Amino acid sequence: EIVLTQSPDTLSLSPGETASLSCRASQSVPYNYLAWYQHRPGQAPRFLIYATATRAPGIPDRFSGTGSGADFTLDISRLEPEDSAVYYCQQYGDSPWTFGQGTKVEIK
Amino acid sequence: QVHLEESGPGLVKPSETLSLRCTVSGGSVNGYYWSWVRQSPGKKMEWIGHIYYRGDTRYNPSLQSRVTISIDTSRNEFSLDLTSLIAPDTAVYYCARHHRVTPFDYWGQGTPVTVSS
Repeated sequence: EIVLTQSPDTLSLSPGETASLSCRASQSVPYNYLAWYQHRPGQAPRFLIYATATRAPGIPDRFSGTGSGADFTLDISRLEPEDSAVYYCQQYGDSPWTFGQGTKVEIK
Repeated sequence: QVHLEESGPGLVKPSETLSLRCTVSGGSVNGYYWSWVRQSPGKKMEWIGHIYYRGDTRYNPSLQSRVTISIDTSRNEFSLDLTSLIAPDTAVYYCARHHRVTPFDYWGQGTPVTVSS
């Protein structure tokens, strides 16, 4: 199965700054089928990005995904307090679908 | 707005069977794939398996021998049965919706399950 490794584990930034989250795969993700989710405690995970770079409906353009092959990035610009959450990457190009361990974004 | 809600026992004994239900509101189960995902404490999220509204299933090989996912389109819900429970099955269990080649667009809030005697 494809193993996803996210870095850093935790990111602490101030409002207005840009967060850059990395997701690296143990092998190339077929079709670049890489997704990102935001997960706040006690809430349902929120679908952000699919196919590496396409924002889900209703997701602001502050969230942008890039990458290809085995190396992917989620950038969150103009950070707001409500962006405080754990962010997960997930590949759905090969079964079984797998997730990264998450990056916690803290807003100072 | 599609809403998913998991329900089931919060505590189950080792060797028993966990049965969870996911009720879908605000939309139909028809036309979609429906998955179960879990996250054990300190571990990565793990996709358990999915069912198509027509009944076709696919399971994670790591759990395949112990998992059954079923669907009741008349009740707009689907279910998970996980047999022969062990302590590492302790996790928050989520249900989620997707298409065949798209990821999870709607999730439930998750239901915590503890396996303990």
